[in-house]
Amino acid sequence: NAGVTQTPKFQVLKTGQSMTLQCAQDMNHEYMSWYRQDPGMGLRLIHYSVGAGITDQGEVPNGYNVSRSTTEDFPLRLLSAAPSQTSVYFCATGASGPDTQYFGPGTRLTVL
Amino acid sequence: RKEVEQDPGPFNVPEGATVAFNCTYSNSASQSFFWYRQDCRKEPKLLMSVYSSGNEDGRFTAQLNRASQYISLLIRDSKLSDSATYLCVVRDNTGKLIFGQGTTLQVKP
Repeated sequence: NAGVTQTPKFQVLKTGQSMTLQCAQDMNHEYMSWYRQDPGMGLRLIHYSVGAGITDQGEVPNGYNVSRSTTEDFPLRLLSAAPSQTSVYFCATGASGPDTQYFGPGTRLTVL
Repeated sequence: RKEVEQDPGPFNVPEGATVAFNCTYSNSASQSFFWYRQDCRKEPKLLMSVYSSGNEDGRFTAQLNRASQYISLLIRDSKLSDSATYLCVVRDNTGKLIFGQGTTLQVKP
C-alpha cells in the first residue's frame, strides 16, 4: 500500500517549458487536490477533484491544468513554466472531501 | 489580513517543557479546524482535528474558541521528536482548506 506517490521528486525547467507532475494514489479516495507551498506562505490550493471526470479550480489555478480520468491518477500540467512557479508541489487525497487529507512526498520544482 | 494567521516562531523550548501555539482565523463561518505537522522538507501530516468541546490526544490538546476565532495547540512534556512546523488549517464555508504559514517548534536537549 504505497498511499500517495508523486513523481518526479525534483525538477528544473527553463522558462517556457511545459511538464506534467504526476500524482497517484492506491487508497481509492475520491477527493484529490494539488497545493503549492512557498516560503512564508501557507499551502495554497491550485486545483482539486471530487471524483473521476470532475475537476475545479482552487485559489491559484492560473498557469496549471489538471484532468482526472481515473480515481487513481491526478496529473498537474504546467503549460508554459514561469519563474513564479518555482515552488514545492504537494498532491493530497481525502476519502470524503478535503478534511483529513493524506499528502504525497512533494515535487520540488525550480524554473530558471 | 490573512485568512489564517500564525506566529511563525521559532519557539525554542527545552525537553519536558509545555508549549502552546495559537492561530486566528478571519471567516466566522468556518466549518472545521485541524492541526497538521510538517517535518523539514517533508509532507504535512494530520496531527489532530479540533472540536468545539476541545480534544486531547496523549500529550497534545487542541482547543477552539469560536467567539474569538482562534484555535490553540498545547504540547505537554515536549520531546525532541516534537520539533517540526505546526500548521493551523481551517475549512471555510465554501469547503476549501485554508492553511496558515505554520509555527516552527525546536525542542532542545
